[in-house]
Amino acid sequence: DIQMTQSPSSLSASVGDRVTITCRASQSISGYLNWYQQKPGKAPKLLIYAASSLQSGVPSRFSGSGSGTDFTLTISSLQPEDFATYYCQQSNSSPRFGQGTKLEIK
Amino acid sequence: QVQLVESGGGVVQPGRSLRLSCAASEFTFGIYAMHWVRQAPGKGLEWVAVISYDGSNAYYADSVKGRFTISRDNSKNTVHLQMNSLRVEDTAVYYCARGFGPYQLNFDYWGQGTLVTVSS
Repeated sequence: DIQMTQSPSSLSASVGDRVTITCRASQSISGYLNWYQQKPGKAPKLLIYAASSLQSGVPSRFSGSGSGTDFTLTISSLQPEDFATYYCQQSNSSPRFGQGTKLEIK
Repeated sequence: QVQLVESGGGVVQPGRSLRLSCAASEFTFGIYAMHWVRQAPGKGLEWVAVISYDGSNAYYADSVKGRFTISRDNSKNTVHLQMNSLRVEDTAVYYCARGFGPYQLNFDYWGQGTLVTVSS
């Protein structure tokens, strides 16, 4: 099974900051990497698919990059509504999520 | 607007069974794979099962293999999760999600979730 490891597990930042979250796969998954945002009590929301493609309706301050085993999610300028938990997920084989990164207000 | 509405959650004793349902609307249900994903209280996301667009193939996480069965009825736009031999560790919010992407192994729309609590 492919394991997904996110870092950091939690992160404190301020509105306007640039934030980067990383995700590492235990073996190559090519570009089959997706990012989700989840707010408390809500279902996850797809942000980025295929490593770098922005899902329809998602603000352009979100971007993704990477291939193989190392991937990043970047938020270029944090907005108040971006404070949430972010998950990466590989879709190269049996789906598996990272453990999540909780983004909190500093 | 794509809608997925789960139902069937509740409190059940260990070893008992429960059947979850997900009603889909506002998209062509019969061409999409459908998934169940769960989230234990305060924990991360865990994929549970997937069923192909026509119901001919189903795959499961090792943690539920042999106990859970996913099925679908394309005439009623519904997907089900039959959960047998439930364990305390199956306690979670269960989400139904639509498959997306080249292998339909990521998830572009999710339901609101239904809570399953396994407790004596």
